[in-house]
Amino acid sequence: GAGVSQSPRYKVTKRGQDVALRCDPISGHVSLYWYRQALGQGPEFLTYFNYEAQQDKSGLPNDRFSAERPEGSISTLTIQRTEQRDSAMYRCASSLSGGGGTQYFGPGTRLTVL
Amino acid sequence: QQQVKQSPQSLIVQKGGISIINCAYENTAFDYFPWYQQFPGKGPALLIAIRPDVSEKKEGRFTISFNKSAKQFSLHIMDSQPGDSATYFCAASILRTGKLIFGQGTTLQVKP
Repeated sequence: GAGVSQSPRYKVTKRGQDVALRCDPISGHVSLYWYRQALGQGPEFLTYFNYEAQQDKSGLPNDRFSAERPEGSISTLTIQRTEQRDSAMYRCASSLSGGGGTQYFGPGTRLTVL
Repeated sequence: QQQVKQSPQSLIVQKGGISIINCAYENTAFDYFPWYQQFPGKGPALLIAIRPDVSEKKEGRFTISFNKSAKQFSLHIMDSQPGDSATYFCAASILRTGKLIFGQGTTLQVKP
């Protein structure tokens, strides 16, 4: 069965450019989460959705980061005016039920900002 | 208060030995404590999880021990195998929020 997919798998961009990272959750999963994982560290929570509603965006580092899930399925994490410190692995996870349940992680998007 | 502290950072164990990884948390509101296993190039995958109403949970060779009063929990891998070599992350959450707070990770190497 299809798991969580993310695209692109790798993204190299120049400082100041905008990037959009896509997450396609497991079909039927209510909740979708975004995490950022630095090399050698655990994932760090960014934001999450139940259906199309953004429930918690407390982990977004600043207002250059935004996320949406307009139809309650695919989600996009957008980083505007990228900076070198934004370089990291961005991971998406989904879970069947809202407010908990096993989170299934995708393979991630490796973002490099030059 | 949101931190989860994990140790050791790395661990080398002989095949057949016991691997032990420890985590500590501060927020007493946490009510869900999962362990994730991550292989190189892959996303983390849930290994085993515990709620604070029990002190131990066992699934095959993997056991979580939970000490609510000390705010600590640990993962024990019995009869460690080379295929267990991976990075392990503990995490904590307030279950209704779904927001996982991860530890820093432990890289386990099991030598044949």
